[in-house]
Amino acid sequence: AQKVTQAQTEISVVEKEDVTLDCVYETRDTTYYLFWYKQPPSGELVFLIRRNSFDEQNEISGRYSWNFQKSTSSFNFTITASQVVDSAVYFCALSGGTSYDKVIFGPGTSLSVIP
Amino acid sequence: DSGVTQTPKHLITATGQRVTLRCSPRSGDLSVYWYQQSLDQGLQFLIQYYNGEERAKGNILERFSAQQFPDLHSELNLSSLELGDSALYFCASSERGLQETQYFGPGTRLLVL
Repeated sequence: AQKVTQAQTEISVVEKEDVTLDCVYETRDTTYYLFWYKQPPSGELVFLIRRNSFDEQNEISGRYSWNFQKSTSSFNFTITASQVVDSAVYFCALSGGTSYDKVIFGPGTSLSVIP
Repeated sequence: DSGVTQTPKHLITATGQRVTLRCSPRSGDLSVYWYQQSLDQGLQFLIQYYNGEERAKGNILERFSAQQFPDLHSELNLSSLELGDSALYFCASSERGLQETQYFGPGTRLLVL
């Protein structure tokens, strides 16, 4: 069975601090996708990144970076120099196996960035 | 603005009733996804349609059904509503599948009393 764990329920940081959101996944599939989504206080969902299981290269997009480690089944998300606008709930998700379009979400991590 | 529209924004109804949620995908997107977000269950994938055909099914109850029409808009039908169906229902679209970026609608907040 597939599972996504986000052990950090809530995190608070002061503006300009770096913060890492943890994501650990379980799957028996050899090919799968991992995702991160953002849900700001306004409620909409925003897709952030998708990573194929064959691509373990870390990715950086501005202040955001992602560290994918197959050996530890982790796909962590780091925000550098956090800003108040980063305050949101962040979801890690997994899809794979017989249906790459069937996504399993983690419970989410609520990030508060304090000015 | 993601380009995905959902109507209505809010819906209040009673137990046992039936409602229909509507989603219009971004222009050119063939895939439509439905998700449910509730306090109890978190964020769950319900179902995906691609160019009118059901492609993937998640934790969708038998009381729920969906379809995608020739103009690619989709409807999610919820029947025999229960209190536990109160949730935020999101629709998303992508060109084909999850190998492309998904764009989410603003959601429909359903309250069952």
